[in-house]
Amino acid sequence: AQKITQTQPGMFVQEKEAVTLDCTYDTSDQSYGLFWYKQPSSGEMIFLIYQGSYDEQNATEGRYSLNFQKARKSANLVISASQLGDSAMYFCAMREVRVAGTALIFGKGTTLSVSS
Amino acid sequence: EPEVTQTPSHQVTQMGQEVILRCVPISNHLYFYWYRQILGQKVEFLVSFYNNEISEKSEIFDDQFSVERPDGSNFTLKIRSTKLEDSAMYFCASRLQREMYNEQFFGPGTRLTVL
Repeated sequence: AQKITQTQPGMFVQEKEAVTLDCTYDTSDQSYGLFWYKQPSSGEMIFLIYQGSYDEQNATEGRYSLNFQKARKSANLVISASQLGDSAMYFCAMREVRVAGTALIFGKGTTLSVSS
Repeated sequence: EPEVTQTPSHQVTQMGQEVILRCVPISNHLYFYWYRQILGQKVEFLVSFYNNEISEKSEIFDDQFSVERPDGSNFTLKIRSTKLEDSAMYFCASRLQREMYNEQFFGPGTRLTVL
């Protein structure tokens, strides 16, 4: 079973509009973390935002916010006021508490295209 | 700002050859990782390394792969006998502490092309 599911292979948005990128996850752990990374066409992985499973408030980082709905196991990324530079692949990822150095599990990603 | 560096940025090799991908993690970080991303696909975990030993590895990380931290700064991934399907972008990442909120900082990646 997929641990991280991103159902939108591609999303299109106009500049200055808000966009929501979907992410659902599957875990039986009580303690876990959810991350979003951005991968522009140049290929690097850029950390955007983190949400802990015990955090009561939704995480926010500038124009990025995470709509965390624990009961539904969803962690959607909301980008407000989209900019052309937001065009990139976006990956949702999860870390479960396991052994030391526990790794990130990534979804398949969503390609966001922002047009003027 | 400190960053993870990787060399080379692009490596082309013949099938069956050995390759070593190099990474310099952020200096005070304790946890090190290798991931790979086949073109157009998701990022997949290979191996994590802590306290000079492998702490976790995925099914992908078979006997053809090995990791090493030969000195205090470098972290290497060796592929002993490359196959065509090893062609991918390989990312190194490092993290400071075990706490959940610590993000992993990724390097720029090495694109490996196996011919």
